[in-house]
Amino acid sequence: EIVLTQSPATLSLSPGERATLSCGASQSVSSSYLAWYQQKPGLAPRLLIYDASSRATGIPDRFSGSGSGTDFTLTISRLEPEDFAVYYCQQYGSSAITFGQGTRLEIK
Amino acid sequence: EVQLVESGGGLVQPGRSLRLSCAASGFTFDDYAMHWVRQAPGKGLEWVSGISWNSGSIGYADSVKGRFTISRDNAKNSLYLQMNSLRAEDTALYYCARSGGGGSGYYHDAFDIWGQGTMVTVSS
Repeated sequence: EIVLTQSPATLSLSPGERATLSCGASQSVSSSYLAWYQQKPGLAPRLLIYDASSRATGIPDRFSGSGSGTDFTLTISRLEPEDFAVYYCQQYGSSAITFGQGTRLEIK
Repeated sequence: EVQLVESGGGLVQPGRSLRLSCAASGFTFDDYAMHWVRQAPGKGLEWVSGISWNSGSIGYADSVKGRFTISRDNAKNSLYLQMNSLRAEDTALYYCARSGGGGSGYYHDAFDIWGQGTMVTVSS
């Protein structure tokens, strides 16, 4: 199975700053089948980015995804108060779908 | 409104069985693959199992293979997870999720709709 490693584990930033979250794969992710999800306490995950760089319906354009192969990035250009949450990457290019362990984005 | 509602969770003793259900509404159920994803208390997300629109393609995480069985009834717009030989480490919030339509498999699409989850606690 493909192991996804997210870094950093915790990111402390202030509103208005730029956030860069990383997701590394143990082997190449087929056809960039890589997604990013946001999860807030007590709520289900929400799809942000699919196919590495496509924004899901209704997602603000301050969220962007990039990367291919084994290295992927989620960028939030200017943090809003509602963006502080846990973010997960997921690969769905192989029959054993896997998630990263998550990055907690907290207010500095 | 597109919606997924899970049910069937509860407290169960180790070694016993439980069946989870997920009721779908607001979309054409048999156009989509479906999945179960779990989250242990305070932990991250773990994909459990997926099933294609016609049940022709099914997959499981190694941690549940041989113990859990996923199924669906397109006539009832419902997804199921039969969980046998439950262990303490199966304790988690179990989410039902939808992935994109098209294709004969259950993977190659992200999970765009999620339910709110049903809690399973395995303890004596």
